[in-house]
Amino acid sequence: DGGITQSPKYLFRKEGQNVTLSCEQNLNHDAMYWYRQDPGQGLRLIYYSQIVNDFQKGDIAEGYSVSREKKESFPLTVTSAQKNPTAFYLCASSTGTNLRHEQYFGPGTRLTVT
Amino acid sequence: AQTVTQSQPEMSVQEAETVTLSCTYDTSENNYYLFWYKQPPSRQMILVIRQEAYKQQNATENRFSVNFQKAAKSFSLKISDSQLGDTAMYFCAFMKPFGNTPLVFGKGTRLSVIA
Repeated sequence: DGGITQSPKYLFRKEGQNVTLSCEQNLNHDAMYWYRQDPGQGLRLIYYSQIVNDFQKGDIAEGYSVSREKKESFPLTVTSAQKNPTAFYLCASSTGTNLRHEQYFGPGTRLTVT
Repeated sequence: AQTVTQSQPEMSVQEAETVTLSCTYDTSENNYYLFWYKQPPSRQMILVIRQEAYKQQNATENRFSVNFQKAAKSFSLKISDSQLGDTAMYFCAFMKPFGNTPLVFGKGTRLSVIA
């Protein structure tokens, strides 16, 4: 089955530690996205990548880093510089050939930093 | 920059009744796409309905329909014959008219369907 996987579903870290969230897709989509969801805030864009080896900052990129070495993978690293990292993180992907312009979402990772 | 506003943080509706969720947006683009996404308690994001700004006809998908008013920059979602499974967060989202561009989301409306 084609889809997007995010692992793990729940992640716990101590303050000051970097942590990497995984996002993999087997939909052969060119573009991938990372959104952050906080209560009452909707989803906000962290980073996105339209092609391999290229990515763009979103509205809240500070304290985060990404890489796009393979089409299938777009890992997100939450660094110790991120002031408020506890949140729900959603990864998505899309293809420009889909006339519906739909983004497909993974199941999300809940990160808790204490 | 584009912004999306959902002015109703929470709503409730009786099962089998009809409910309308509001969304307004701000953009200088003439062409764009608008979406409603549903996020049930599982937190999986599900596309409900989409609308192209260049189409005057309002989109419909089974019990879901939109009222798209381009001049007013309004994009409301109507759910008919509400079902318990419609209980979820609903997000309105905007996309520029190019392929593979990010979504801009509203803050969401939490809808509860009551038996």
